[in-house]
Amino acid sequence: NAGVTQTPKFRVLKTGQSMTLLCAQDMNHEYMYWYRQDPGMGLRLIHYSVGEGTTAKGEVPDGYNVSRLKKQNFLLGLESAAPSQTSVYFCASSYSGDWEITDTGELFFGEGSRLTVL
Amino acid sequence: AQSVAQPEDQVNVAEGNPLTVKCTYSVSGNPYLFWYVQYPNRGLQFLLKYITGDNLVKGSYGFEAEFNKSQTSFHLKKPSALVSDSALYFCAVRNWRSFQKLVFGTGTRLLVSP
Repeated sequence: NAGVTQTPKFRVLKTGQSMTLLCAQDMNHEYMYWYRQDPGMGLRLIHYSVGEGTTAKGEVPDGYNVSRLKKQNFLLGLESAAPSQTSVYFCASSYSGDWEITDTGELFFGEGSRLTVL
Repeated sequence: AQSVAQPEDQVNVAEGNPLTVKCTYSVSGNPYLFWYVQYPNRGLQFLLKYITGDNLVKGSYGFEAEFNKSQTSFHLKKPSALVSDSALYFCAVRNWRSFQKLVFGTGTRLLVSP
């Protein structure tokens, strides 16, 4: 059982280039999330999805786009990368947003994708 | 708006001694509180949560946390630290209604020395 898998794990971009991060989960979770982790700032939510075909903005959505064409996949795109987007990106999934129903209400995280924009 | 404060960037403790990692929060309504742990080059792993019920919550790897409503705190504790507990610990909070607004603290690095 792989859980949440992110690709690629490392990437170096030049300013203005575009790229897509792929997140795949095999737990049949409805909800998926993209976070970025920066030193001294914890994790901040970029975008999230409550099901196939849906997306919504989180705390820091500017400069990013997302798509959820299939339930198991959640893509994060950078159309024109900027140095400020240098960060570690984490994808997470959960069974449902209604955590009173699920067993633990926990988020399952991927191992992260380290992106450097020069 | 929700917020979480982890006042210590790093906590140092000797193996076998008790440990405490502090967390205070601010949220409207009833809080849902979580602790996650991050080992080097890994994603975050769920440790425990408080939703309702007993103020002392037990979680994975022998960790527990105490919810204190009057002090708006949710400190993580363990009676006897292990070297393998060394990691980055995150506290997180949301209110009962807004699942997407899970706010994380800045993290506390725990270093357990042999």
